[in-house]
Amino acid sequence: AQSVTQPDIHITVSEGASLELRCNYSYGATPYLFWYVQSPGQGLQLLLKYFSGDTLVQGIKGFEAEFKRSQSSFNLRKPSVHWSDAAEYFCAVGATGSDYKLSFGAGTTVTVRA
Amino acid sequence: ETGVTQTPRHLVMGMTNKKSLKCEQHLGHNAMYWYKQSAKKPLELMFVYNFKEQTENNSVPSRFSPECPNSSHLFLHLHTLQPEDSALYLCASSQVPPGEQYFGPGTRLTVT
Repeated sequence: AQSVTQPDIHITVSEGASLELRCNYSYGATPYLFWYVQSPGQGLQLLLKYFSGDTLVQGIKGFEAEFKRSQSSFNLRKPSVHWSDAAEYFCAVGATGSDYKLSFGAGTTVTVRA
Repeated sequence: ETGVTQTPRHLVMGMTNKKSLKCEQHLGHNAMYWYKQSAKKPLELMFVYNFKEQTENNSVPSRFSPECPNSSHLFLHLHTLQPEDSALYLCASSQVPPGEQYFGPGTRLTVT
């Protein structure tokens, strides 16, 4: 079965600074990978996804992520953070083939300071 | 309506009550999911329905009973809940394969 680790529970970043959130997965083959964002009291919104092809994936809200097979990682980045990016971010992995369940990481809370 | 909707958004119920959560997806997807999100815990998958058939039940207590009458609607029937069942309940849908999931806004459940 697949699993996800998000090593950082909480990150504080200044507005305008860059942001990188780490995600490591465990799966025997090439996985499907996702990043979601959740604002307080809301559901999860899909930021971006990786299925195959170009390992640098562009998403919504100016986010991008890079799939690195050798490191089993799928880190999320944003060059310049806005105050509205304060939220909780979840990395998820899905198995290829017929299994359509996702495994989610525990999440990283991002605080943006002025 | 677009995306995935959930009603009610907030629910307070006593331990002896019976209530139901409703989820509707307007995306034409063929799979639907219930998740439980508790504070300081990872997202817990509760139930999966694929083509209206339940394909997953992650050892969820019988006081939670899902129902999927068609591929667009999903219900979670609740009865004799415990205070530890207080959480945000999220519904999601996807087209399988491949399976990125789209979430509703959730129902914040408080059991008193």
